[in-house]
Amino acid sequence: DTEVTQTPKHLVMGMTNKKSLKCEQHMGHRAMYWYKQKAKKPPELMFVYSYEKLSINESVPSRFSPECPNSSLLNLHLHALQPEDSALYLCASSRSGTGSYEQYFGPGTRLTVT
Amino acid sequence: EDQVTQSPEALRLQEGESSSLNCSYTVSGLRGLFWYRQDPGKGPEFLFTLYSAGEEKEKERLKATLTKKESFLHITAPKPEDSATYLCAGGYYETSGSRLTFGEGTQLTVNP
Repeated sequence: DTEVTQTPKHLVMGMTNKKSLKCEQHMGHRAMYWYKQKAKKPPELMFVYSYEKLSINESVPSRFSPECPNSSLLNLHLHALQPEDSALYLCASSRSGTGSYEQYFGPGTRLTVT
Repeated sequence: EDQVTQSPEALRLQEGESSSLNCSYTVSGLRGLFWYRQDPGKGPEFLFTLYSAGEEKEKERLKATLTKKESFLHITAPKPEDSATYLCAGGYYETSGSRLTFGEGTQLTVNP
C-alpha cells in the first residue's frame, strides 16, 4: 500500500484563523515532507522531517508551523495566513537514508485564505 | 544550485501519435531521477525512478530512459487518459536530508 492520506480536502480560512492540516502514512517511511503548489507550477518544498526531527526548513514564514507527533503523522499548523498563501498543500513520505528515494504524495489540501 | 529543466512546456498529440518528453538536470550530486504524473487538483503520482545512465523502465505505454545529462519519457500510442502534467525531479542528498528538485513540468494533451 502506497497511500498517503490528507485531511481536510478543502479548507477556507480567514486571515485571523488558526487551522491545521493533517497527513498520515502507514508505509513505515521515516521521512515526511510538506510542499506548497500554486497553479501551473511544480511543488515547492517547505519542510522535511527525518526520523520525526525537522531536518529542512526552506525559510518558510513562521505563520506555518510543522509538527511530527510520531513516525506516521505530520501536521501543519496555520496561523495569520495571507491571501497569497492560498495553494494546494501536499504531504509526501519516503524511505530515509543516505540517498534519494521516491516520494509518495497525498491528494493534497486545497487552501483558500480570505 | 540544482536545476531541472523540462521541455516542451506543453504538448498536444493525437491518439496513437508517439512522442517523447525531455528532462535535463544538474549532474553534480544527483542521487536519482524521478518521473511523476499529476492530474489537475491532485497530488503527483509516482511513475519511475532511474539511478544510472543507460537504465530504462517501462509501464504500460510509458518508458523512461536516463543518460548522463538528461532523461526522456517516451509515450507510445498515447490515449486520451494519458493527458496530464508530467513532472521530472532530480533527487539530491545533503547532510540535512534528501530533497527533490522539480522541473516545471510538461502538460500533455492527447486528443481522441
